[in-house]
Amino acid sequence: AQKITQTQPGMFVQEKEAVTLDCTYDTSDPSYGLFWYKQPSSGEMIFLIYQGSYDQQNATEGRYSLNFQKARKSANLVISASQLGDSAMYFCAMREFGTYKYIFGTGTRLKVLA
Amino acid sequence: DVKVTQSSRYLVKRTGEKVFLECVQDMDHENMFWYRQDPGLGLRLIYFSYDVKMKEKGDIPEGYSVSREKKERFSLILESASTNQTSMYLCASSFLGTKPGQGLGAQYFGPGTRLTVT
Repeated sequence: AQKITQTQPGMFVQEKEAVTLDCTYDTSDPSYGLFWYKQPSSGEMIFLIYQGSYDQQNATEGRYSLNFQKARKSANLVISASQLGDSAMYFCAMREFGTYKYIFGTGTRLKVLA
Repeated sequence: DVKVTQSSRYLVKRTGEKVFLECVQDMDHENMFWYRQDPGLGLRLIYFSYDVKMKEKGDIPEGYSVSREKKERFSLILESASTNQTSMYLCASSFLGTKPGQGLGAQYFGPGTRLTVT
């Protein structure tokens, strides 16, 4: 069965430092996509980054990168040079090819300290 | 930029009222979704639609219905609102991505509607 696990309910990071948010997934389908979303206190879910299961390289989008380790079924989000505005909930999600449903993890609350 | 809008940010309704939540997307996406988000329970899928007039039940459809008459618009209807439907409601849309290499489209979310039923 599809499952996303985020084991860190909350994390702190100092401003300007890098932080890694963990995500592991479970699927038996060889074709799938992995997504990360940011949800500030305002409530809107903001799409950050996408990794396809067949992508050879780790995805990067500005200060966000995805550390994709297929054999370990992990898709950790790395945020470099943290900013105060990065304080938010972060959700990892997965969708299997050929399905419409997205499976979300329970989220990690990140707090960036000045 | 992808834009998904929802009709209200905050809504207060009384028990038993019929409630309409509307969602509009401007990216010509095939798929549209309604979720509710509650503390400790995460995002739960209520309904989704993969085409005009097509709909599928999600994980918690009881007490809700949906309508998709036009590709860009997806409405969530609470036929008779109850206090246990007090929640944050999030609408999303995505590209279908039916072929390998097209990429499995990311969902783009609206700003959410905080519904309180008293």
